[in-house]
Amino acid sequence: SAVISQKPSRDICQRGTSLTIQCQVDSQVTMMFWYRQQPGQSLTLIATANQGSEATYESGFVIDKFPISRPNLTFSTLTVSNMSPEDSSIYLCSVVVRFTDTQYFGPGTRLTVL
Amino acid sequence: GQNIDQPTEMTATEGAIVQINCTYQTSGFNGLFWYQQHAGEAPTFLSYNVLDGLEEKGRFSSFLSRSKGYSYLLLKELQMKDSASYLCAVIRPGGSYIPTFGRGTSLIVHP
Repeated sequence: SAVISQKPSRDICQRGTSLTIQCQVDSQVTMMFWYRQQPGQSLTLIATANQGSEATYESGFVIDKFPISRPNLTFSTLTVSNMSPEDSSIYLCSVVVRFTDTQYFGPGTRLTVL
Repeated sequence: GQNIDQPTEMTATEGAIVQINCTYQTSGFNGLFWYQQHAGEAPTFLSYNVLDGLEEKGRFSSFLSRSKGYSYLLLKELQMKDSASYLCAVIRPGGSYIPTFGRGTSLIVHP
């Protein structure tokens, strides 16, 4: 398994500002993902964080709005830029641990935009 | 694309058995996961099926039929703490490891 930490665990932000969420994992991982989960909804993949290169974004998500970094195998950041109330959601970091086929999730960051 | 269907909500009685179904329609298949998610918490891994058949793990079992595009999660001896959302996820075909999640089934266990 893997222990995944996210910071912050929650935040309340003003419209138009940006928030950077950090994800740190204690194991060697092959893949890191960022998901969004809006209230009562399932998980929506935002992007795959690629080490040392630009993230791979899913349809409907763009780098200008959700810039992602992954400087090494065990750390990634997601920035939610120019926030609006529609961005209020839980943002989850997820990893696939090396030598396994199992995906694990971080505890999530609960974001409220006023 | 991929289409994953699960019932939205199910209810069951403490001590009983419940089966949560998941059907999927994809152009390929690389595996299927079941996750449990309690309200306000992150999903936790329950099971992973890549071959046909039943995988048993304690009170929880997961079944897969690739030819039918069908899986189920079987929960035995239900406990109140099993009240949660259960997410079915299919790994996207094409070699990349990217699961697509269903909407989840909200299970309510009552006394």
